[in-house]
Amino acid sequence: DAKTTQPPSMDCAEGRAANLPCNHSTISGNEYVYWYRQIHSQGPQYIIHGLKNNETNEMASLIITEDRKSSTLILPHATLRDTAVYYCIVRGQDTGNQFYFGTGTSLTVIP
Amino acid sequence: EPEVTQTPSHQVTQMGQEVILRCVPISNHLYFYWYRQILGQKVEFLVSFYNNEISEKSEIFDDQFSVERPDGSNFTLKIRSTKLEDSAMYFCASKREQRAPEAFFGQGTRLTVV
Repeated sequence: DAKTTQPPSMDCAEGRAANLPCNHSTISGNEYVYWYRQIHSQGPQYIIHGLKNNETNEMASLIITEDRKSSTLILPHATLRDTAVYYCIVRGQDTGNQFYFGTGTSLTVIP
Repeated sequence: EPEVTQTPSHQVTQMGQEVILRCVPISNHLYFYWYRQILGQKVEFLVSFYNNEISEKSEIFDDQFSVERPDGSNFTLKIRSTKLEDSAMYFCASKREQRAPEAFFGQGTRLTVV
């Protein structure tokens, strides 16, 4: 699985968009980008995933650059409940079963 | 919304004792996992389980660990002789199929070995 690089921490004002970057310069053609988050020692929670097209669901948007070497998770209107550690994970759909969680980005939403 | 449930939420045990952590995955899911997270560290993969057998395991999952699906609903993690360094949060997860992007995690069992 390709390695990812994320900033260790970020702040965001409540109500504003939170943009969380992820670099994955060694991503290969069949690898997807997944985002999970972990709210204060709870179990990780799936947010969104994508291959090359931008994706949007009820939680977030995922913007993947054309060369696929980086991506950005966007929380359009951050709330205090979005304070969590956000993990960017790159892996193939069929390569093994587990997700490798790195250190992620600790997002703090400020009132 | 269906969820993965884990019991107990907190377990305290003496070093050398056996513990069994229990999980009830989502009912139509086929792939099951255990992860652990030592306080302040990363979430680490332990083992995956499919079709009543281990499909993959990490280096952490040594002979002290075992998993079982004793009936159609429960999925258990047994630690035979606990060590202080086994103190961690243990998360169970399940997926509907291997290619499914979303793994559903339980709320975890905090294991404290004293």
